[in-house]
Amino acid sequence: EAQVTQNPRYLITVTGKKLTVTCSQNMNHEYMSWYRQDPGLGLRQIYYSMNVEVTDKGDVPEGYKVSRKEKRNFPLILESPSPNQTSLYFCASSLRGAGYEQYFGPGTRLTVT
Amino acid sequence: LAKTTQPISMDSYEGQEVNITCSHNNIATNDYITWYQQFPSQGPRFIIQGYKTKVTNEVASLFIPADRKSSTLSLPRVSLSDTAVYYCLVGEDYKLSFGAGTTVTVRA
Repeated sequence: EAQVTQNPRYLITVTGKKLTVTCSQNMNHEYMSWYRQDPGLGLRQIYYSMNVEVTDKGDVPEGYKVSRKEKRNFPLILESPSPNQTSLYFCASSLRGAGYEQYFGPGTRLTVT
Repeated sequence: LAKTTQPISMDSYEGQEVNITCSHNNIATNDYITWYQQFPSQGPRFIIQGYKTKVTNEVASLFIPADRKSSTLSLPRVSLSDTAVYYCLVGEDYKLSFGAGTTVTVRA
């Protein structure tokens, strides 16, 4: 089954404790992207990747890191999480870019205390 | 990247047709128009995409006038399960954020 998976689905952590949210797709897609969703703000793009080893900033990259060492995986790293990063995070992938149909993961609800 | 403007919310009743209009005055020649649907606590799901005139699939229709400065998503005979947020997106670039979308509430 074609899908995007994220782990963990729920995470409660404390300020400053590094964490990684994993994202994996099994569709051989070139493009992957991370979004955060906050009430009333829609989905804002954090980082995206056009292909392996090629990443770039979205609209809200501060406080986040990403890497794309393999085509299928695109982890999101929070080196020193802060309470303002409490949010619902979605990973997505598409064949080539944001203009193609994007497939979204189930989401990761992160709470930073 | 073209910005889009769509209504914040719309109410409807079961069995009615819902039309959501999205404005994108600065759409570029190569841009496609894409609509997504999102249920609470789920990731958005692709509904339909078009470039010009009319596109129809099993879920919705998309109407795009000749000047392409707006588009209308049409949901025929909605049911309670169509209550969701609908996003209009324009562009074919790599950098893309979703706006707040249109919250459609379908009542019995």
